Amino acid sequence: DTAVSQTPKYLVTQMGNDKSIKCEQNLGHDTMYWYKQDSKKFLKIMFSYNNKELIINETVPNRFSPKSPDKAHLNLHINSLELGDSAVYFCASSHRTGVTGELFFGEGSRLTVL
Amino acid sequence: GQQVMQIPQYQHVQEGEDFTTYCNSSTTLSNIQWYKQRPGGHPVFLIQLVKSGEVKKQKRLTFQFGEAKKNSSLHITATQTTDVGTYFCAGRSQAGTALIFGKGTTLSVSS
Repeated sequence: DTAVSQTPKYLVTQMGNDKSIKCEQNLGHDTMYWYKQDSKKFLKIMFSYNNKELIINETVPNRFSPKSPDKAHLNLHINSLELGDSAVYFCASSHRTGVTGELFFGEGSRLTVL
Repeated sequence: GQQVMQIPQYQHVQEGEDFTTYCNSSTTLSNIQWYKQRPGGHPVFLIQLVKSGEVKKQKRLTFQFGEAKKNSSLHITATQTTDVGTYFCAGRSQAGTALIFGKGTTLSVSS
């Protein structure tokens, strides 16, 4: 079983469309994250949830809306997609925030906006 | 805000040569972690350093955390083609804050 799974792996869409990426972890972790990796491989934190509660919200446009229905799931919805949103989006989880937990990453979702 | 700088951005070596990547933070870190991302893959945790001056080894990899807890390094001895990938350091300034990643060092190895 994959520890952190994301769907879909690939997304190709037109500017202005809305899309969602889903993430699930079966590790029993209570903290989940979304990271964005651009074409230069820079990994930037977007959001972090602890037990369904938003705890980190970096300066991300409000077109991006995360949702955590339970602590095993963290989804990312993006409205009105722009060219600059093209990137690989990684979901990750860790055992405990506030403590030095290692991150377990999903395989990534590559979003291409045309 | 907190920044984590990493150099070099790219490094190409011949198989058997050594490799080092350096990480510097603008603020004191509570801990530092290292990740490896193979081409087309996702970041995978390698190690965590917590104590000032800490040194840890994993086979040919040696990790160091500076005395001031603001810098770290990863040294690979006698690189192999399997070492190819991007190595990221990541640190937190304090508990409960986001893990901030350096921009990574991409290592290529020719045989």
